Amino acid sequence: KNQVEQSPQSLIILEGKNCTLQCNYTVSPFSNLRWYKQDTGRGPVSLTIMTFSENTKSNGRYTATLDADTKQSSLHITASQLSDSASYICVVSLYTGGFKTIFGAGTRLFVKA
Amino acid sequence: KAGVTQTPRYLIKTRGQQVTLSCSPISGHRSVSWYQQTPGQGLQFLFEYFSETQRNKGNFPGRFSGRQFSNSRSEMNVSTLELGDSALYLCASSGVRGLTYNEQFFGPGTRLTVL
Repeated sequence: KNQVEQSPQSLIILEGKNCTLQCNYTVSPFSNLRWYKQDTGRGPVSLTIMTFSENTKSNGRYTATLDADTKQSSLHITASQLSDSASYICVVSLYTGGFKTIFGAGTRLFVKA
Repeated sequence: KAGVTQTPRYLIKTRGQQVTLSCSPISGHRSVSWYQQTPGQGLQFLFEYFSETQRNKGNFPGRFSGRQFSNSRSEMNVSTLELGDSALYLCASSGVRGLTYNEQFFGPGTRLTVL
């Protein structure tokens, strides 16, 4: 069964600290993996997208990694800011003649001053 | 390049009414997907339209329907509204870069409140 699982469900960190969010998937055949940031009440915004051959992708203070062998991805946030408080969603796409997208439930991150 | 637009942004309806939401995708994108997001829940897939045809459908009752026009704009309709339909409805526009990956961009969403 194609699934995407994220951990932790929620996380509270102090401003300036780093954190890492996890995403495990059982999706086949794998096409790409994306991380989105969703502010409360707004649409998700893409942070990174990685294909099978990419191990790391950065976007400012956000760095995503992908291990296609173990089917795991992580999103590392460096020097967190209050504006990083949001939900982070891992999305995996598979291709079987057409693209199908599987969403993780998301990790809710709270950054405190 | 203009992003995905959704109208209206906010909507308040009462039980039993029906509602139509609109989505204009990014120019050149032919695929439009709709999602429902309730508080504390992940995105639940409603359906996807591609070139005016419904290509995929999620597990929602028949009260939820949609269509896509020749200009790729899409509408979603919910009939006989229930309290549980209160949610953020998101539209995503997708384009394909060969067979490498599909770009998917989300609109700001329509916040529907059913009283």
